[in-house]
Amino acid sequence: RKEVEQDPGPFNVPEGATVAFNCTYSNSASQSFFWYRQDCRKEPKLLMSVYSSGNEDGRFTAQLNRASQYISLLIRDSKLSDSATYLCVPTGGGNKLTFGTGTQLKVEL
Amino acid sequence: DGGITQSPKYLFRKEGQNVTLSCEQNLNHDAMYWYRQDPGQGLRLIYYSQIVNDFQKGDIAEGYSVSREKKESFPLTVTSAQKNPTAFYLCASSPGRDSRNSPLHFGNGTRLTVT
Repeated sequence: RKEVEQDPGPFNVPEGATVAFNCTYSNSASQSFFWYRQDCRKEPKLLMSVYSSGNEDGRFTAQLNRASQYISLLIRDSKLSDSATYLCVPTGGGNKLTFGTGTQLKVEL
Repeated sequence: DGGITQSPKYLFRKEGQNVTLSCEQNLNHDAMYWYRQDPGQGLRLIYYSQIVNDFQKGDIAEGYSVSREKKESFPLTVTSAQKNPTAFYLCASSPGRDSRNSPLHFGNGTRLTVT
């Protein structure tokens, strides 16, 4: 099993829709998680940190399911500007952070 | 403003030449990292450093070398031994040595093309 697995997508959704995608991880010792957003040909930028069961920031909600070892990202009221690739990063491997390959989201008119 | 600066943004080299990518941060971060990203793929760790004068190999260190003589600087050299050097290179830093509580801050990347 890969350390981090994400559905690459793309997820094509209409503007205003709610979309969710999951990230599964193999290291049961992972204690905290990060979601990054990466625009095409740009660097990843931190979207959200998750240190407990979840986190919410405006239209974005992250939920952690430790029993099943996955973390989800929910985006409500999608905007065109949300179009990007979302990278999941579980911690727990010392100082080596392993990035998922990312899930591509395309929000359309 | 504090941040991480990578230069140059685009770099072109001939096969067989070594090339050094610059990464400087003024965030006073202890840890620094180099990642490589290929089209349609995730980030892969090349090298990382938790403290000055110390660094560790990541998952794909072959064909690369680094130095950490100063806290602010972590240059990456892509040597001629690297089989497929063309890629997007990202430098990152984090405040602490424990990644669990320290998300990474990224530079804006260097796109290296070797022909």
